Formats: sequence, C-alpha cells, structure tokens
Amino acid sequence: QKEVEQNSGPLSVPEGAIASLNCTYSDRVSQSFFWYRQYSGKSPELIMSIYSNGDKEDGRFTAQLNKASQYVSLLIRDSQPSDSATYLCAVNSRGGYSTLTFGKGTMLLVSP
Amino acid sequence: GAGVSQSPSNKVTEKGKDVELRCDPISGHTALYWYRQRLGQGLEFLIYFQGNSAPDKSGLPSDRFSAERTGESVSTLTIQRTQQEDSAVYLCASSFEGNYGYTFGSGTRLTVV
Repeated sequence: QKEVEQNSGPLSVPEGAIASLNCTYSDRVSQSFFWYRQYSGKSPELIMSIYSNGDKEDGRFTAQLNKASQYVSLLIRDSQPSDSATYLCAVNSRGGYSTLTFGKGTMLLVSP
Repeated sequence: GAGVSQSPSNKVTEKGKDVELRCDPISGHTALYWYRQRLGQGLEFLIYFQGNSAPDKSGLPSDRFSAERTGESVSTLTIQRTQQEDSAVYLCASSFEGNYGYTFGSGTRLTVV
C-alpha cells in the first residue's frame, strides 16, 4: 500500500528562521514529488515540484529529494507569518497519468 | 476558464437526500480528479478521469458515490442517500498530461444534517 508520512506538527519557528518540513514515502518506484500549501479553510496550492535527486530552489523555497532514502523535504528560508499553513507532501508513483497520494500534512506556525 | 471552478461552494442537505457536485476544470487539462477532505484530515482520493479512458474509481467509498465526466470538460460527483459521515469538503483538481501536479478548485463544503 502506498503511503506518504509526515509529522503532523505543529512546527513552530520564529520569523526569519528556516523551517524544515519532512516527508517519507513507501513506494520505491515513485517518480514525482510535490509540496502543497493549504491555508485554513482553503484548498491546497501547489508550491514546489521535484523529480530528480538533489535540491531544487524557487525563491525562499527549496525542495530536496533523496530517492535512495525515500525522503523528500521542503525548506522555507526567512520564514514569514504568512507562511503559517499546513504543508502537504504528495507523491505520484507511476509515470504519465496517475493519482497523487497525499500525506496528512505538517502544520507550520511562524511567530512574529 | 482561468482556474478550476466548483459549485456549489456550500451545500447543506438532509440525511437520505441525493446531492450533485459540479467541477469545471481548467481548459486544456485532460485529467480530472476528485478528492474528499474531512475536517482536520488528509486528502482522500475518490476518482480520476483521463480523456476517453475508463475512469479509476478505486477510491469511491461505496456504491452511493458515482461520477461522470463529459469528454474533457465538466464533471459531476453524485452522492445518493447521503449520510452524516459524507460531510466533508469535496475537492476537484485538474492537470495537463504528465506529472505536472494538480490545480485544485476551491471545493464544495457538504454538510449532511
């Protein structure tokens, strides 16, 4: 059974700090990895995608993927109170069309 | 359209009634997905449509749930004889061909009383 695991949190960080969010997945053939941000009462919003081992940077966000360890992470630099949300890790384990399996999300709280 | 459009945004229904939820995907997106999110819970996959292929219905929780899609356009999710445990936010998403991630609609909040 495909599983995506995340620490539910909350992860509390002060404004300006680096927030590190982690995710592990069980399906070794997983190929595509996504991070979504979900504000309370809103729908998920895609913020990062990563497909190959290593780091991918986009502004204050860096996604990291290690397929050998079946581990994907999201770093948020210079965290802002507006980053406070639940972050969902999602994994697509087949090429082409497929469904995403979502983790239950990690709540991030950034205090001013 | 510019985004994934879902209607209604909120629906309150009496137990035992049928409800129909609508999703209009982004133009050009060939794949369409329905997920359910209960309060404080993760996203639960329901059904997936891709072009003219047979839909992947493996996530539908019971035979009270069904969904249709007209070509690569609008989809409707129907829940018959609603139960209180059906109360949730129903999210629709669409995507291009390939692994580009989804764009979600704003959801339909269903409350069964």
